[in-house]
Amino acid sequence: GDSVTQMEGPVTLSEEAFLTINCTYTATGYPSLFWYVQYPGEGLQLLLKATKADDKGSNKGFEATYRKETTSFHLEKGSVQVSDSAVYFCALTKAGGSYIPTFGRGTSLIVHP
Amino acid sequence: EAGVAQSPRYKIIEKRQSVAFWCNPISGHATLYWYQQILGQGPKLLIQFQNNGVVDDSQLPKDRFSAERLKGVDSTLKIQPAKLEDSAVYLCASLPAYQETQYFGPGTRLLVL
Repeated sequence: GDSVTQMEGPVTLSEEAFLTINCTYTATGYPSLFWYVQYPGEGLQLLLKATKADDKGSNKGFEATYRKETTSFHLEKGSVQVSDSAVYFCALTKAGGSYIPTFGRGTSLIVHP
Repeated sequence: EAGVAQSPRYKIIEKRQSVAFWCNPISGHATLYWYQQILGQGPKLLIQFQNNGVVDDSQLPKDRFSAERLKGVDSTLKIQPAKLEDSAVYLCASLPAYQETQYFGPGTRLLVL
């Protein structure tokens, strides 16, 4: 079945450091790919998405590129802030499906001043 | 636009007790989902409603979990009797028509002692 694998956390960085959170997926066909963010005590919010190969999703300084050849959708940010501290979930939905995401386990990001 | 509302935000019960969670989706969203998010894991779908009908409840432990959406708007999820392994965050999400991005509520954090 479909699955999403994320790097283990927590990822601990200093403010203004470069961030990469790795995500790879297994799915048949051409899924849509998503990054969700969960701030402490809150629900999941969509951060960015990409719906086809080579698309780049971006939002709030975060970027991720849909790489079909490596089945990856790594999340990057050039300069993190303390306010970026949260749990990040990579997810996919199947084309023509019921829009129910398959989520990864989440990666906790802690940014120190 | 008001977001997805959930209550209570936190609940502590003893095993074998019953508990109910409430969700009010974004106005006009016909599709509603309940997810279970165990600590350290991504959310897993429990049940999906389309208006007041069940679309998918294949992952719902029906011996103890039940859910309803009688008027096609708000929904309740019940656990009776609760087990220790039910400790988790229960997330509600809703989906606008013709879109694939779900909107999540803040969740109800359940601790079963």
